[in-house]
Amino acid sequence: SQTIHQWPATLVQPVGSPLSLECTVEGTSNPNLYWYRQAAGRGLQLLFYSVGIGQISSEVPQNLSASRPQDRQFILSSKKLLLSDSGFYLCAWSVGGTATQYFGPGTRLTVL
Amino acid sequence: QKEVEQDPGPLSVPEGAIVSLNCTYSNSAFQYFMWYRQYSRKGPELLMYTYSSGNKEDGRFTAQVDKSSKYISLFIRDSQPSDSATYLCAMSEVGGGADGLTFGKGTHLIIQP
Repeated sequence: SQTIHQWPATLVQPVGSPLSLECTVEGTSNPNLYWYRQAAGRGLQLLFYSVGIGQISSEVPQNLSASRPQDRQFILSSKKLLLSDSGFYLCAWSVGGTATQYFGPGTRLTVL
Repeated sequence: QKEVEQDPGPLSVPEGAIVSLNCTYSNSAFQYFMWYRQYSRKGPELLMYTYSSGNKEDGRFTAQVDKSSKYISLFIRDSQPSDSATYLCAMSEVGGGADGLTFGKGTHLIIQP
C-alpha cells in the first residue's frame, strides 16, 4: 500500500531564517506531487505541483520554492521566511489519470 | 466571486442524527468531486469520490452531486462522536491532469454524545 511521509511535524522558525520541508511517498512510482498551505480561515491553497523529477509548476508567486530531486521526494524551501509563511503545510500525491489526491500528515510551521 | 462556497459552521448535532454537509460552486467545468475528513492537526483523509452527477454510497456516507444546480452534498447516517471533524469538499476539472484541487474552506462538525 502507498504511504506518504512529511517531516518535521512541527517547526518554529525566526523571521529571515531558511526553510526545508520534506515529503516522501512509498509504494507507487512516478506520482504527481503537490504542496498545499492551509491557513486558518483560508482553506487549502495549492502552492506547487510536479509531474516528474525536476518538473515543478508554481500556482502563486511567493517566498517559497519547490524541488523534486527524486521520483518520490518533494521538497519545499525558502531562503528567508516571512511572518506570512506561517501555516499548515500539506504534501499530497496522485496517480496520473486520476483526480483523487492523498495527503500526508502535514507540517505545522510557525514563523516568529 | 469565490469558486467553492462551504458553510464553516460549527454544525452541532446529537449522536445518531443524519448530517447533511453541502458545497456550492460556480465553475461549470468541474467534473470530479471529493469529500475529505480532517481531524484537528492532521492531514485530510479522502472519504468519497464521485464523477459527474448522481449519488454514491459507502457505508454510512452518501455523496450527491447535482451539476445543474452546481451543488454537492455529503450525508452521514447514524452519526457518531468519532465523526466530529472538519469536512472539506474538493473539485477538479480534469481527471487525468496534474492540476491541484479546488477546496471549500471546510465545515466543522460536532457530534454530541
